[in-house]
Amino acid sequence: GENVEQHPSTLSVQEGDSAVIKCTYSDSASNYFPWYKQELGKRPQLIIDIRSNVGEKKDQRIAVTLNKTAKHFSLHITETQPEDSAVYFCAASIGDTGRRALTFGSGTRLQVQP
Amino acid sequence: NAGVTQTPKFRILKIGQSMTLQCAQDMNHNYMYWYRQDPGMGLKLIYYSVGAGITDKGEVPNGYNVSRSTTEYFPLRLELAAPSQTSVYFCASRLLRDRGDNEQFFGPGTRLTVL
Repeated sequence: GENVEQHPSTLSVQEGDSAVIKCTYSDSASNYFPWYKQELGKRPQLIIDIRSNVGEKKDQRIAVTLNKTAKHFSLHITETQPEDSAVYFCAASIGDTGRRALTFGSGTRLQVQP
Repeated sequence: NAGVTQTPKFRILKIGQSMTLQCAQDMNHNYMYWYRQDPGMGLKLIYYSVGAGITDKGEVPNGYNVSRSTTEYFPLRLELAAPSQTSVYFCASRLLRDRGDNEQFFGPGTRLTVL
């Protein structure tokens, strides 16, 4: 089945700096790649997603890039703010048939220092 | 819409006890999932359902059972609770058609402790 690896496991940045989190996936049939933000004690919330027919997607301070050849995708957060502090998860799913469930990375704890 | 709801929010079980975690969604989503999240880890798929009457195992199904008699409800059953089942359980739903993927929505979670 699909395997998603995520790094780094922790990331500390100064407010206003950029943060980058990287993920790799194993199954070339995966075609949907969401990123979730999870605050302590809360449910995961979708922040951005990308499909395999797109190389990059941006939403204000957040962007995701996808390299299908290398099977990796990254989350970029610019101008970080203290409220960006949370655990971020990448995920991948194989679309169109079957269970189409998300396989998650192990998470990155982002700490934005004021 | 209430979205995806789960009950209870918290539960403490003794080893060997049984319980059912409830999950409901009011978005008419066809796909529903159960995940568990151990401390400091990502989410792992326990069971899933692609529609009423159809369920199948995920990555970590041992010790659990599910049913899906209607589109709205997808309960998760623990028959003989073990300490290894201490975790946070998230139910999720998704509207998936023949082509294209849509957002997966999560419930608020159930924090289960087995002592």
